[in-house]
Amino acid sequence: AQSVTQLGSHVSVSEGALVLLRCNYSSSVPPYLFWYVQYPNQGLQLLLKYTTGATLVKGINGFEAEFKKSETSFHLTKPSAHMSDAAEYFCAVNTGFQKLVFGTGTRLLVSP
Amino acid sequence: EAQVTQNPRYLITVTGKKLTVTCSQNMNHEYMSWYRQDPGLGLRQIYYSMNVEVTDKGDVPEGYKVSRKEKRNFPLILESPSPNQTSLYFCASSSRGGEGGYTFGSGTRLTVV
Repeated sequence: AQSVTQLGSHVSVSEGALVLLRCNYSSSVPPYLFWYVQYPNQGLQLLLKYTTGATLVKGINGFEAEFKKSETSFHLTKPSAHMSDAAEYFCAVNTGFQKLVFGTGTRLLVSP
Repeated sequence: EAQVTQNPRYLITVTGKKLTVTCSQNMNHEYMSWYRQDPGLGLRQIYYSMNVEVTDKGDVPEGYKVSRKEKRNFPLILESPSPNQTSLYFCASSSRGGEGGYTFGSGTRLTVV
C-alpha cells in the first residue's frame, strides 16, 4: 500500500532563508505526487504536482519540488522564505485509484 | 468561480443527533471524496465517489454514510454522531482519476459533545 512520510512536524526558518520540506513515499506503481498548502482556517490549495515527464516541478508562490525515483522522494523547496509562506504543508501520493494518501503535514514557521 | 462549497463551516452538536454536511461542486467533476483532518494524523479518506450512484469506502468509513444522487452533490451523513467524530472535514473533487489532483472545500469544523 502506498504511504507518505514527512520528516519534521515543524520547520522553522528565517525570512529570506532556504525552505526545505521533506517528503518520502512508498508506492508499488509509478506515483502521482502532490504538495498542498493549508493556511489557517482554510482548505487545502494545490501547490504543485508531478505526474509524468520532467522531474523538477515548479508550482505557485515560487515553490518547486523534484521527483527522485531512486530515493522515493519529493522534497519541496523555495530559495527564499517569505512571512506569507507560514502555513502547513502536506505531501500526498495517488497511484491512480480514487485515494490521495497524505502525509501528516509539516508546519512551516517563518521568523523575521 | 470554480469551487467546492461545504456547509456549514462550523457545527456543534450533541451525541446521537443525526446531521448532514453538504458538499457541492460547480466544475462538473466525476470524482468526489470526503476527508477528515486530525492533529498529527494528516488527512484520512472517509468515502469517495467515482460518479453518480457509485460510492466506496475509504480508510475510516465507520460511522459515516454518503450518497451521490447528482453529479454536483456529495453529502456526508452522520447518523449517530459520537465525540470521536469531532474533527475538521473536507470535501474534494477531481475531474480525473489521479493526475489532476483534488480541489478542496474550505472545511467543516464539527464538534460532538
